[in-house]
Amino acid sequence: ETGVTQTPRHLVMGMTNKKSLKCEQHLGHNAMYWYKQSAKKPLELMFVYSLEERVENNSVPSRFSPECPNSSHLFLHLHTLQPEDSALYLCASSQEVYWSSYNEQFFGPGTRLTVL
Amino acid sequence: TQLLEQSPQFLSIQEGENLTVYCNSSSVFSSLQWYRQEPGEGPVLLVTVVTGGEVKKLKRLTFQFGDARKDSSLHITAAQPGDTGLYLCAGGSYGGSQGNLIFGKGTKLSVKP
Repeated sequence: ETGVTQTPRHLVMGMTNKKSLKCEQHLGHNAMYWYKQSAKKPLELMFVYSLEERVENNSVPSRFSPECPNSSHLFLHLHTLQPEDSALYLCASSQEVYWSSYNEQFFGPGTRLTVL
Repeated sequence: TQLLEQSPQFLSIQEGENLTVYCNSSSVFSSLQWYRQEPGEGPVLLVTVVTGGEVKKLKRLTFQFGDARKDSSLHITAAQPGDTGLYLCAGGSYGGSQGNLIFGKGTKLSVKP
């Protein structure tokens, strides 16, 4: 498999459930990201990891807990979510974490999350 | 706070028509990127423009970066149903992390046969 893969593609959960989203990149990249995409809002960066170390956390509620066990895998653990957390959650990776016009981000297909 | 405003928000046209979508900001960016996102998929990078006034062509798509590096446009000639999708612009600045990549809300394009 190539590129960035995400599982599951769709997830429906109740507010009291605990679930996890998984992301895997097959590109040999050192940086990985979680984004939230909601209707009528720009893509919101949630977490940034560089070589398994979290380098950025954009004021995300504690009910979202990221985990990066190695540079190829990224998880987002979810617990006691709210209906307003329903969105498309996108994972992305890039060669390095610093910005440059040559440091392209590659996105996975996303997990469509619905919180009932 | 850096913001990118995209217009129009929605665009529905017939196959064969031309269209232009815009990405504007009051801030200067080192470069701007354009992504296309198809339903059920993640965004895919189309192009990166880095020099003020730069024009890049990708088949029927023409991308322009404003002279002041605050705005960009995407022009599609003879649109086809396969062009349907959400077009996102994203601005970045040198010296920061990828967390400094700012996205617009996108333009949702529908091209009808």
